[in-house]
Amino acid sequence: EVQLVESGGGLVQPGGSLRLSCAASGFTFSDHWMAWVRQTPVKGLEWVAAINKDGGDKHHVDSLKGRFTISRDNAKNSLYLQMNNLRAEDTAVYYCANQRYNYFDYWGQGTQVTVSS
Amino acid sequence: EIGLTQSPATLSLSPGDRATLSCRVSQSIDTYLAWYQQKPGQAPRLLIYDTSNRAPGIPARFSGSGSGTDFALTISSLEPEDFAFYYCQQRSPITFGQGTRLEIK
Repeated sequence: EVQLVESGGGLVQPGGSLRLSCAASGFTFSDHWMAWVRQTPVKGLEWVAAINKDGGDKHHVDSLKGRFTISRDNAKNSLYLQMNNLRAEDTAVYYCANQRYNYFDYWGQGTQVTVSS
Repeated sequence: EIGLTQSPATLSLSPGDRATLSCRVSQSIDTYLAWYQQKPGQAPRLLIYDTSNRAPGIPARFSGSGSGTDFALTISSLEPEDFAFYYCQQRSPITFGQGTRLEIK
């Protein structure tokens, strides 16, 4: 059974940093592109970033470039999202997902990130 | 930027009814569109990809159609578990519609 389990969310002050993690199991992690997608009540679902199988090719949504960085560790079956200089508008549920042909087959349960003073 | 507009925002139907949800795209995307279902407190679940292909495990009552700029998700006979939010998504660039809430009448 495919499982994606996110962690690392929480409450952070504006300007702070967080690193989200996603532990994958039930499939060959290194064979798949992976992505982060976030969701807010106002903006809805928003693709954040994606990374190829070996981590050498990364894509980030233009509006977040320079603040968010996706990475992975295939030896640990893990996906990461480093988020710096966080703003109130980054408050969202962040999902880890398997990205295949730019669709999302499998999703984690999500982790809440709240940016507030 | 290509926009996706879903309609209606809310659809009120009864179990056994047929549901048709619409997704209109601001410019042609061929057939590169997906549909997701999301229930409260859960992650989205892929239902349909490339307009009309059901994802593994998705019941046959779910079907997708369309091409170019107009797409539809049809649920032939609503089951109680189908009442949820539904989102369309285009492939390139990756963007989502704002969703349709399918509620029990």
